[in-house]
Amino acid sequence: EPEVTQTPSHQVTQMGQEVILRCVPISNHLYFYWYRQILGQKVEFLVSFYNNEISEKSEIFDDQFSVERPDGSNFTLKIRSTKLEDSAMYFCASNDQGFRETQYFGPGTRLLVL
Amino acid sequence: QKEVEQNSGPLSVPEGAIASLNCTYSDRVSQSFFWYRQYSGKSPELIMSIYSNGDKEDGRFTAQLNKASQYVSLLIRDSQPSDSATYLCAVNSLQGGKLIFGQGTELSVKP
Repeated sequence: EPEVTQTPSHQVTQMGQEVILRCVPISNHLYFYWYRQILGQKVEFLVSFYNNEISEKSEIFDDQFSVERPDGSNFTLKIRSTKLEDSAMYFCASNDQGFRETQYFGPGTRLLVL
Repeated sequence: QKEVEQNSGPLSVPEGAIASLNCTYSDRVSQSFFWYRQYSGKSPELIMSIYSNGDKEDGRFTAQLNKASQYVSLLIRDSQPSDSATYLCAVNSLQGGKLIFGQGTELSVKP
Protein backbone atom coordinates (compact mmCIF):
# COMPACT_ATOMS: atom_id res chain seq x y z
CA GLU A 1 0.00 0.00 0.00
CA PRO A 2 1.45 3.42 -0.94
CA GLU A 3 2.73 5.50 1.96
CA VAL A 4 3.97 8.98 2.66
CA THR A 5 7.67 8.86 3.52
CA GLN A 6 9.77 11.42 5.37
CA THR A 7 13.48 11.95 5.86
CA PRO A 8 15.32 12.20 8.11
CA SER A 9 13.52 10.40 10.92
CA HIS A 10 15.51 12.40 13.48
CA GLN A 11 17.45 15.63 13.19
CA VAL A 12 19.46 17.47 15.81
CA THR A 13 20.55 21.01 15.02
CA GLN A 14 21.95 24.07 16.71
CA MET A 15 19.79 27.13 17.28
CA GLY A 16 20.04 29.50 14.33
CA GLN A 17 20.84 26.80 11.80
CA GLU A 18 18.73 26.06 8.74
CA VAL A 19 17.02 22.70 8.41
CA ILE A 20 15.21 21.10 5.51
CA LEU A 21 12.71 18.37 6.17
CA ARG A 22 11.84 16.16 3.25
CA CYS A 23 8.66 14.35 2.32
CA VAL A 24 7.67 12.10 -0.54
CA PRO A 25 3.87 12.16 -0.75
CA ILE A 26 1.86 9.28 -2.18
CA SER A 27 2.53 9.33 -5.92
CA ASN A 28 -0.85 10.38 -7.36
CA HIS A 29 -1.64 12.86 -4.60
CA LEU A 30 -1.89 16.53 -5.41
CA TYR A 31 -2.58 18.16 -2.03
CA PHE A 32 0.21 18.41 0.52
CA TYR A 33 0.38 19.50 4.13
CA TRP A 34 2.80 20.03 6.98
CA TYR A 35 1.84 19.70 10.64
CA ARG A 36 3.87 19.75 13.82
CA GLN A 37 3.38 18.29 17.27
CA ILE A 38 5.33 19.58 20.22
CA LEU A 39 5.84 16.84 22.80
CA GLY A 40 2.67 16.34 24.83
CA GLN A 41 0.66 18.83 22.80
CA LYS A 42 -1.89 18.85 19.98
CA VAL A 43 -1.09 18.25 16.34
CA GLU A 44 -0.97 21.73 14.78
CA PHE A 45 -1.46 22.71 11.15
CA LEU A 46 1.37 24.62 9.49
CA VAL A 47 0.61 24.87 5.79
CA SER A 48 -1.27 23.38 2.86
CA PHE A 49 0.00 23.34 -0.71
CA TYR A 50 -1.69 22.70 -4.04
CA ASN A 51 -0.84 23.44 -7.64
CA ASN A 52 2.60 24.73 -6.69
CA GLU A 53 1.39 27.34 -4.28
CA ILE A 54 0.44 27.72 -0.65
CA SER A 55 -3.31 27.39 -0.14
CA GLU A 56 -3.45 28.15 3.56
CA LYS A 57 -0.95 28.77 6.34
CA SER A 58 -1.22 29.14 10.08
CA GLU A 59 0.13 31.90 12.27
CA ILE A 60 2.96 29.54 13.22
CA PHE A 61 4.13 29.52 9.58
CA ASP A 62 6.01 32.81 9.66
CA ASP A 63 8.82 34.13 7.47
CA GLN A 64 11.21 31.57 8.93
CA PHE A 65 9.29 28.78 7.23
CA SER A 66 9.01 27.96 3.57
CA VAL A 67 7.77 25.04 1.49
CA GLU A 68 8.76 23.85 -1.91
CA ARG A 69 8.02 21.10 -4.38
CA PRO A 70 11.39 21.01 -6.11
CA ASP A 71 10.51 18.12 -8.41
CA GLY A 72 7.65 15.76 -9.16
CA SER A 73 8.05 13.69 -6.02
CA ASN A 74 9.49 15.67 -3.13
CA PHE A 75 7.84 18.22 -0.86
CA THR A 76 10.10 20.08 1.55
CA LEU A 77 9.74 22.25 4.64
CA LYS A 78 12.59 24.65 5.33
CA ILE A 79 13.14 26.41 8.63
CA ARG A 80 15.63 29.20 7.98
CA SER A 81 16.90 29.97 11.45
CA THR A 82 15.78 27.43 13.99
CA LYS A 83 14.69 28.37 17.50
CA LEU A 84 14.52 26.19 20.59
CA GLU A 85 10.72 26.24 20.37
CA ASP A 86 10.85 24.67 16.89
CA SER A 87 11.71 21.37 18.57
CA ALA A 88 8.82 19.10 17.66
CA MET A 89 7.69 16.20 15.53
CA TYR A 90 6.96 17.39 11.99
CA PHE A 91 4.45 15.43 9.94
CA CYS A 92 3.87 15.62 6.22
CA ALA A 93 0.48 14.56 4.86
CA SER A 94 -1.10 14.26 1.44
CA ASN A 95 -4.34 13.43 -0.31
CA ASP A 96 -5.63 13.18 -3.83
CA GLN A 97 -9.24 14.32 -3.85
CA GLY A 98 -9.19 17.74 -2.36
CA PHE A 99 -9.12 19.62 0.86
CA ARG A 100 -12.27 17.97 2.20
CA GLU A 101 -10.88 14.47 2.06
CA THR A 102 -8.80 12.22 4.29
CA GLN A 103 -5.18 13.20 4.78
CA TYR A 104 -2.58 10.45 5.03
CA PHE A 105 0.32 11.13 7.33
CA GLY A 106 3.97 10.24 7.01
CA PRO A 107 5.95 8.80 9.93
CA GLY A 108 7.33 12.20 10.93
CA THR A 109 10.69 13.84 11.53
CA ARG A 110 11.68 14.47 15.12
CA LEU A 111 13.54 17.80 15.21
CA LEU A 112 15.57 18.77 18.25
CA VAL A 113 17.01 22.28 18.39
CA LEU A 114 19.81 22.77 20.93
CA GLN B 1 -10.75 30.66 17.45
CA LYS B 2 -11.97 27.38 15.99
CA GLU B 3 -11.59 24.62 18.55
CA VAL B 4 -11.96 20.87 18.84
CA GLU B 5 -12.39 19.55 22.35
CA GLN B 6 -11.87 16.04 23.69
CA ASN B 7 -11.58 14.57 27.16
CA SER B 8 -7.89 13.83 27.61
CA GLY B 9 -8.53 10.72 29.68
CA PRO B 10 -7.07 8.32 30.35
CA LEU B 11 -10.11 6.22 29.57
CA SER B 12 -9.65 2.71 30.90
CA VAL B 13 -11.86 -0.17 29.74
CA PRO B 14 -11.54 -3.94 30.19
CA GLU B 15 -10.79 -6.14 27.22
CA GLY B 16 -13.96 -6.96 25.28
CA ALA B 17 -15.84 -3.87 26.47
CA ILE B 18 -17.09 -0.93 24.40
CA ALA B 19 -14.96 2.20 24.49
CA SER B 20 -16.75 5.48 23.83
CA LEU B 21 -14.77 8.53 22.77
CA ASN B 22 -16.31 11.96 22.36
CA CYS B 23 -15.45 15.19 20.61
CA THR B 24 -17.08 18.60 20.20
CA TYR B 25 -16.19 21.29 17.70
CA SER B 26 -16.90 24.98 17.53
CA ASP B 27 -17.05 25.80 13.80
CA ARG B 28 -20.58 25.17 12.53
CA VAL B 29 -19.57 25.14 8.87
CA SER B 30 -17.19 22.18 9.29
CA GLN B 31 -18.10 19.35 6.96
CA SER B 32 -15.42 16.68 7.28
CA PHE B 33 -14.66 14.80 10.48
CA PHE B 34 -11.96 12.27 11.18
CA TRP B 35 -10.79 9.96 13.89
CA TYR B 36 -7.10 9.15 13.94
CA ARG B 37 -5.22 6.79 16.24
CA GLN B 38 -1.76 7.75 17.45
CA TYR B 39 0.61 5.42 19.24
CA SER B 40 3.29 7.05 21.35
CA GLY B 41 6.00 8.56 19.17
CA LYS B 42 4.19 7.66 15.96
CA SER B 43 2.16 9.54 13.37
CA PRO B 44 -1.65 9.78 13.24
CA GLU B 45 -3.25 6.81 11.50
CA LEU B 46 -6.75 7.15 10.05
CA ILE B 47 -9.47 5.12 11.75
CA MET B 48 -12.65 6.63 10.32
CA SER B 49 -13.93 9.56 8.32
CA ILE B 50 -17.50 10.81 8.47
CA TYR B 51 -19.22 13.54 6.52
CA SER B 52 -22.98 13.14 7.12
CA ASN B 53 -25.16 13.08 10.20
CA GLY B 54 -25.74 9.63 11.63
CA ASP B 55 -23.65 6.54 12.14
CA LYS B 56 -20.91 5.02 10.04
CA GLU B 57 -19.63 1.54 10.84
CA ASP B 58 -16.35 -0.10 9.85
CA GLY B 59 -15.62 -3.39 11.56
CA ARG B 60 -15.40 -2.83 15.30
CA PHE B 61 -15.52 0.94 14.90
CA THR B 62 -18.59 3.18 14.65
CA ALA B 63 -18.39 6.93 14.15
CA GLN B 64 -21.39 9.09 14.99
CA LEU B 65 -21.92 12.64 13.83
CA ASN B 66 -24.48 15.17 15.03
CA LYS B 67 -23.93 18.50 13.29
CA ALA B 68 -26.76 20.24 15.15
CA SER B 69 -25.03 19.47 18.45
CA GLN B 70 -21.54 19.86 16.91
CA TYR B 71 -20.62 16.47 18.31
CA VAL B 72 -18.65 13.53 16.95
CA SER B 73 -18.07 10.24 18.69
CA LEU B 74 -16.23 6.99 18.14
CA LEU B 75 -17.32 3.65 19.57
CA ILE B 76 -14.90 0.76 19.67
CA ARG B 77 -16.60 -2.59 20.23
CA ASP B 78 -14.83 -5.65 21.64
CA SER B 79 -11.87 -3.50 22.71
CA GLN B 80 -8.46 -5.15 22.51
CA PRO B 81 -5.22 -4.30 24.33
CA SER B 82 -3.81 -3.34 20.92
CA ASP B 83 -6.42 -0.57 20.76
CA SER B 84 -4.57 1.17 23.60
CA ALA B 85 -3.46 4.47 22.07
CA THR B 86 -4.39 8.13 21.88
CA TYR B 87 -7.41 8.84 19.70
CA LEU B 88 -7.42 12.16 17.90
CA CYS B 89 -10.55 13.88 16.66
CA ALA B 90 -9.90 16.16 13.68
CA VAL B 91 -12.18 18.58 11.90
CA ASN B 92 -11.58 20.03 8.47
CA SER B 93 -11.87 23.77 8.24
CA LEU B 94 -12.48 23.57 4.45
CA GLN B 95 -10.68 26.77 3.67
CA GLY B 96 -7.42 25.21 2.64
CA GLY B 97 -7.64 21.72 4.01
CA LYS B 98 -6.50 22.69 7.47
CA LEU B 99 -7.26 19.91 9.96
CA ILE B 100 -7.94 21.14 13.47
CA PHE B 101 -7.09 18.47 16.01
CA GLY B 102 -8.32 17.92 19.51
CA GLN B 103 -5.81 17.16 22.24
CA GLY B 104 -6.63 13.47 22.02
CA THR B 105 -8.13 10.92 24.40
CA GLU B 106 -5.78 8.30 25.81
CA LEU B 107 -7.43 4.88 25.80
CA SER B 108 -6.12 2.01 27.88
CA VAL B 109 -7.61 -1.47 27.34
CA LYS B 110 -6.79 -3.78 30.23
CA PRO B 111 -6.45 -7.55 29.56
